[in-house]
Amino acid sequence: LAKTTQPISMDSYEGQEVNITCSHNNIATNDYITWYQQFPSQGPRFIIQGYKTKVTNEVASLFIPADRKSSTLSLPRVSLSDTAVYYCLVALINDYKLSFGAGTTVTVRA
Amino acid sequence: GAVVSQHPSWVICKSGTSVKIECRSLDFQATTMFWYRQFPKQSLMLMATSNEGSKATYEQGVEKDKFLINHASLTLSTLTVTSAHPEDSSFYICSAMSRLLDNEQFFGPGTRLTVL
Repeated sequence: LAKTTQPISMDSYEGQEVNITCSHNNIATNDYITWYQQFPSQGPRFIIQGYKTKVTNEVASLFIPADRKSSTLSLPRVSLSDTAVYYCLVALINDYKLSFGAGTTVTVRA
Repeated sequence: GAVVSQHPSWVICKSGTSVKIECRSLDFQATTMFWYRQFPKQSLMLMATSNEGSKATYEQGVEKDKFLINHASLTLSTLTVTSAHPEDSSFYICSAMSRLLDNEQFFGPGTRLTVL
C-alpha cells in the first residue's frame, strides 16, 4: 500500500475554498486515489475517487497531476458543517482492505 | 446511497463482561463486511474482514479469540468483544460492501464502547 502524507490540520472560514494536498510518492501504476470524510463519532463517508487529471462531483473536486505523486481535494465554498477529518487513501481499485492514514482535520469557522 | 446501521450506538460495560455489536446492511446484501477500531484522536484501524458463511480474516495483532466475528447472513455481521477490559474502550466501526454496488464500502455510524 502506498504511504500517504497529509497536513495534520487546516483552518478555514465559511464560504472559502479549501484545498487539501496529499502526497503519495510511491503510488503504483494501478492504484486509485480515494478521499473519505469523517465527522466526530461517525463512520467515514466516501467523497471522491480518481486515477488521473481531474474528477468532479457534487461535493468536491479531485486534482491529480500527471506524475500522480500527489493529489488535491478541493472543497468549494465550505460551510461550518464541512468541519471534519478528511482521509486520503491510495490503493488498487479492488483492494478492499482500506488503510487509513492520520487524515487532515479541517475546521471551518464562521 | 446504501445504508449500514450499527447497534448499539454506545455501550458501557464492566470489565470482564462480553459485549456484542451488530452491523446490518439495511437495503443491500453485503458480500463482505469489515470491522475497524478507532481510538480517540487516531485513525481507523482495520481489525478483520468477514465474508458471509465463512470465518473472518483477522489483521495482524488482532486477537481472534477476543474479538469474535460472526457473519451469519448477507445483511448481518456481529462483533463480540469477550472479557472486555478498559483498554478495549474504543469506537468500533463496521463497513459493508457489495459487488452489485461497485464494491464501494459503506460505513456504519460506529459504536462507542466504554469498559469500566
